[in-house]
Amino acid sequence: DGGITQSPKYLFRKEGQNVTLSCEQNLNHDAMYWYRQDPGQGLRLIYYSQIVNDFQKGDIAEGYSVSREKKESFPLTVTSAQKNPTAFYLCASAGHPSAYNSPLHFGNGTRLTVT
Amino acid sequence: AQTVTQSQPEMSVQEAETVTLSCTYDTSESDYYLFWYKQPPSRQMILVIRQEAYKQQNATENRFSVNFQKAAKSFSLKISDSQLGDAAMYFCAYRSPTGTYKYIFGTGTRLKVLA
Repeated sequence: DGGITQSPKYLFRKEGQNVTLSCEQNLNHDAMYWYRQDPGQGLRLIYYSQIVNDFQKGDIAEGYSVSREKKESFPLTVTSAQKNPTAFYLCASAGHPSAYNSPLHFGNGTRLTVT
Repeated sequence: AQTVTQSQPEMSVQEAETVTLSCTYDTSESDYYLFWYKQPPSRQMILVIRQEAYKQQNATENRFSVNFQKAAKSFSLKISDSQLGDAAMYFCAYRSPTGTYKYIFGTGTRLKVLA
């Protein structure tokens, strides 16, 4: 079955360490997205990519970095520059950007805790 | 920039009753897509229903229907015959057909279903 896989489900890191969250999709989707979810703030867009080797900053990109070397993969690195990294992170994908009726398909999320 | 507002942080409904969740949005575009997503305690995001702005007819999916008022920029979700499994966070989302192709989410409404 096609879907989006995020790993790990739970991640614990010490402050000052960079950490990379994995996101893989086998839906043959062109566009991929990373969202951060905090209580009472809904989903906030960190980065998104419409095609391989290209990505754009979302609304809260500071302290994060991404790469899109393969269509299937869109890893997110949370750097030590991110001031409040503890959150729930959701990866999503959608069909070709011009197909704007394409809904987002989500992974199961990664809960990152930094102490 | 487009914005999505969900003014009800929390709602309650008795089992088997009907509840309506509100969503308003702000945009200068004439064509776009709107979505409702459900996030149960598992935190998996599930598409509930979607609406094309150029379609006058309100979308329905079984017990879920929308009241789309384009002029008022309102997109409410009605859940009929509420079930315990409907308890979740519900997010309204907007997607532009042009430009950045971003999906913009509201802050969510937590729905409690009372037995």
